[in-house]
Amino acid sequence: SQQGEEDPQALSIQEGENATMNCSYKTSINNLQWYRQNSGRGLVHLILIRSNEREKHSGRLRVTLDTSKKSSSLLITASRAADTASYFCALPSTGGFKTIFGAGTRLFVKA
Amino acid sequence: DTEVTQTPKHLVMGMTNKKSLKCEQHMGHRAMYWYKQKAKKPPELMFVYSYEKLSINESVPSRFSPECPNSSLLNLHLHALQPEDSALYLCASSTPSPLYNEQFFGPGTRLTVL
Repeated sequence: SQQGEEDPQALSIQEGENATMNCSYKTSINNLQWYRQNSGRGLVHLILIRSNEREKHSGRLRVTLDTSKKSSSLLITASRAADTASYFCALPSTGGFKTIFGAGTRLFVKA
Repeated sequence: DTEVTQTPKHLVMGMTNKKSLKCEQHMGHRAMYWYKQKAKKPPELMFVYSYEKLSINESVPSRFSPECPNSSLLNLHLHALQPEDSALYLCASSTPSPLYNEQFFGPGTRLTVL
């Protein structure tokens, strides 16, 4: 069954540094999404990248998708303390509507 | 309005109580979701409604009963819960596209079962 594996599990960086987190998956996908969750809150959608796209940008976020390696990465540039959160990749499952979330990367940005 | 609202924010209930969680959105989305999230874990899908009809039930115990009375509202009725059901319950909505479903999440209800 589809499953997203994320690494690292946790990441601690200084403000201003870049943060990269990765997501690998097992079966072919039509798209992959990234979400952010601040502690104890709801998730916020960041980016959806389709299988025919290799790279997508949104502000300080850059997402890449390599379908041959079945992997995606999320890069946050010039990180800020406010970026401290958990980041999840999300994959569509067969049958429609079902989204499988990866285990998440917990990012801590030190001021 | 791109907001999904959930009430209550916090709920404490005994194992014999009956309570309901409510979710509302006014984005015209015709797909709505319930997720359960334990601490330091990803959200786990419970139910999906599409056009007010139950589309997915992820083998959730019958003590959880979803209801979608109209296209803007989603309820989760709770009865005879167990302490292990304590979690953050998240509601989400999206356009009814099974594949490209960017989901908008509410802030969640923190449920504690005593």
